[in-house]
Amino acid sequence: IAGITQAPTSQILAAGRRMTLRCTQDMRHNAMYWYRQDLGLGLRLIHYSNTAGTTGKGEVPDGYSVSRANTDDFPLTLASAVPSQTSVYFCASSPDPSYSILNEQFFGPGTRLTVL
Amino acid sequence: AQKVTQAQTEISVVEKEDVTLDCVYETRDTTYYLFWYKQPPSGELVFLIRRNSFDEQNEISGRYSWNFQKSTSSFNFTITASQVVDSAVYFCALSEASSGGGADGLTFGKGTHLIIQP
Repeated sequence: IAGITQAPTSQILAAGRRMTLRCTQDMRHNAMYWYRQDLGLGLRLIHYSNTAGTTGKGEVPDGYSVSRANTDDFPLTLASAVPSQTSVYFCASSPDPSYSILNEQFFGPGTRLTVL
Repeated sequence: AQKVTQAQTEISVVEKEDVTLDCVYETRDTTYYLFWYKQPPSGELVFLIRRNSFDEQNEISGRYSWNFQKSTSSFNFTITASQVVDSAVYFCALSEASSGGGADGLTFGKGTHLIIQP
C-alpha cells in the first residue's frame, strides 16, 4: 500500500449499531486526523493524534472515539450510531505536528457512511 | 478562534474564462499556514498549495495562481483559461501554529463548487 487507506469504502448501518472505520498509513507520519464532510459545511475535525499513544478532540468529537496504538493505524469508532452521523469520513496524516516542519496533510479516499 | 470563509458557494463559468475563488480567514496567531485543496467529482482531496504567514509572495503554477494579502486576511485562488477538468469543489483551509502546528488539524472553509461549462 502507498499513502493512506480507509476501510470500508462505504457502509450502510442501522442506528444503534457500533461501527469502526479503519485508517492505515504507510508514510510513518506522526500526526493523524479524522474529519467528516457534510454538504454545505465543508470538512470538520473530529479527533486527532499527534503521535502514537496520544489523541485529542477536534471540533465535533461527540459520539466518536479514537485510539492510536501504533504509528500506522488510527481507527474511528462510533459506539452507537445515529442518523446525524451520516457523512463522508476522511482520514488524514501529516509528517510532524510541530509548526517548524511542513505540515501538509495527506488525505485518504474517504468512507461514505449512511446511518438509517 | 480560527475561521475560514468562502463566500462563493457556487461559481459557473464558460471554458477559457478566468475565475477567482475567494478565501478570507480569521486568526489571532502571527504564525499560521493557509492551504487550498481540490475535490474533484471522484471525491478525493488533492493538495494544491500551502503558504505560511511570513511569505506573502504570490505564487503561480501553470494556470493556477494565488494571491495572499495579510492586510485583508485573504488568500484568493485564480484559475486562468479555465478548463472543464477544473470543475470541482475547492476548499481553503487554515492551520495555526500556536497549538503545535498541525496538531489540531485544519480549519476548512465550506468550499466553493466550481463548474466549468464547455
